Amino acid sequence: KAGVTQTPRYLIKTRGQQVTLSCSPISGHRSVSWYQQTPGQGLQFLFEYFSETQRNKGNFPGRFSGRQFSNSRSEMNVSTLELGDSALYLCASSLDPPGGGAADTQYFGPGTRLTVL
Amino acid sequence: AQKVTQAQTEISVVEKEDVTLDCVYETRDTTYYLFWYKQPPSGELVFLIRRNSFDEQNEISGRYSWNFQKSTSSFNFTITASQVVDSAVYFCALSELSNFGNEKLTFGTGTRLTIIP
Repeated sequence: KAGVTQTPRYLIKTRGQQVTLSCSPISGHRSVSWYQQTPGQGLQFLFEYFSETQRNKGNFPGRFSGRQFSNSRSEMNVSTLELGDSALYLCASSLDPPGGGAADTQYFGPGTRLTVL
Repeated sequence: AQKVTQAQTEISVVEKEDVTLDCVYETRDTTYYLFWYKQPPSGELVFLIRRNSFDEQNEISGRYSWNFQKSTSSFNFTITASQVVDSAVYFCALSELSNFGNEKLTFGTGTRLTIIP
């Protein structure tokens, strides 16, 4: 089974621009989460989507947004880029079986490395 | 609020030596999950293990073993007979349950392990 895929793998943007990152989860996985990884702040949770709905959100400004499509693929968007947005953005998917009550394992993609100049 | 502490920032050992990576967590919940992930230079987070708060049995998988002790809020990871391929950054993570079942991961700051040939 193919793993989580993320595109593009590398991206260079300038301040003020906006960017869209894409994530395709493992086949059959319904939940997609996004994380930002920086040397200073480490790994931080951005948001999580399930059935096209955002279920959980981290402490990031409104410039960071996302969505999920009916096939579970997800995109995240960052508007008005700042230098501090330079980071590795990781997407993770999990099966999230019906009934809840158990934390499902999140499997991560290779990430998109965003550089803001 | 939940918190994960990995006090060891960097560890270097000679190949074939055993090494233990420490993880201490804080949570107010009685039901939670603990994880270990490996991040090689490629950037992708590789899942290693998941443990729920009701299962304190130690686990062994090949050269890897995990020691979960609720009394000290620790979930330590030991690699025996280390190999150069074990060189990576290792993250411990904590997941608390929400009404949705799946919850965001809170990561430690990671331990960079270098195995010297």
